[in-house]
Amino acid sequence: GQNIDQPTEMTATEGAIVQINCTYQTSGFNGLFWYQQHAGEAPTFLSYNVLDGLEEKGRFSSFLSRSKGYSYLLLKELQMKDSASYLCAVYNSGNTPLVFGKGTRLSVIA
Amino acid sequence: DAGITQSPRHKVTETGTPVTLRCHQTENHRYMYWYRQDPGHGLRLIHYSYGVKDTDKGEVSDGYSVSRSKTEDFLLTLESATSSQTSVYFCAIGGAGLSYEQYFGPGTRLTVT
Repeated sequence: GQNIDQPTEMTATEGAIVQINCTYQTSGFNGLFWYQQHAGEAPTFLSYNVLDGLEEKGRFSSFLSRSKGYSYLLLKELQMKDSASYLCAVYNSGNTPLVFGKGTRLSVIA
Repeated sequence: DAGITQSPRHKVTETGTPVTLRCHQTENHRYMYWYRQDPGHGLRLIHYSYGVKDTDKGEVSDGYSVSRSKTEDFLLTLESATSSQTSVYFCAIGGAGLSYEQYFGPGTRLTVT
């Protein structure tokens, strides 16, 4: 079976840093995605980690530890527009579809 | 943005009626997917296709069927809609190849009364 866990909700202050964690238990792991989804919209791609370590892309960074089955998404200099749901998704093997966690709803407050 | 459209974007239908949702892509991608998204459940895979006439079931396939007669179109059919199928439906493409990234369509909000 597969299990992907993320916190349901988080709140952070504008200008601050927030870390959204994702833990997973899957077979044949090959990579982990993070998606952003604003209310009423489709998910959009943020990052893809295959190897252990930190990938930085502007204000957003994503970290992966394959041995621990753990990833996090780090958002710096939070802006109000970062209020959204953040979805963790695992790519297993072959041509199987992504498996998504339930998402973390982030609220950025002034 | 990946060229993915869904139709209709909104639909209200009655219990017991058949409903077909359409996903159309202009990217010529081999893989296409249908998900439903509900509060508390996240995105759940209904069916996916890995080529014309090649489809497979996902996690929540009961009550749904799909067809893919052309690369660009992937249809999702609810043979007899039930209130439990009220949801937002997303189509996606991608997920295999160099990047494995999936791109999502804008979604269809379906209400079954």
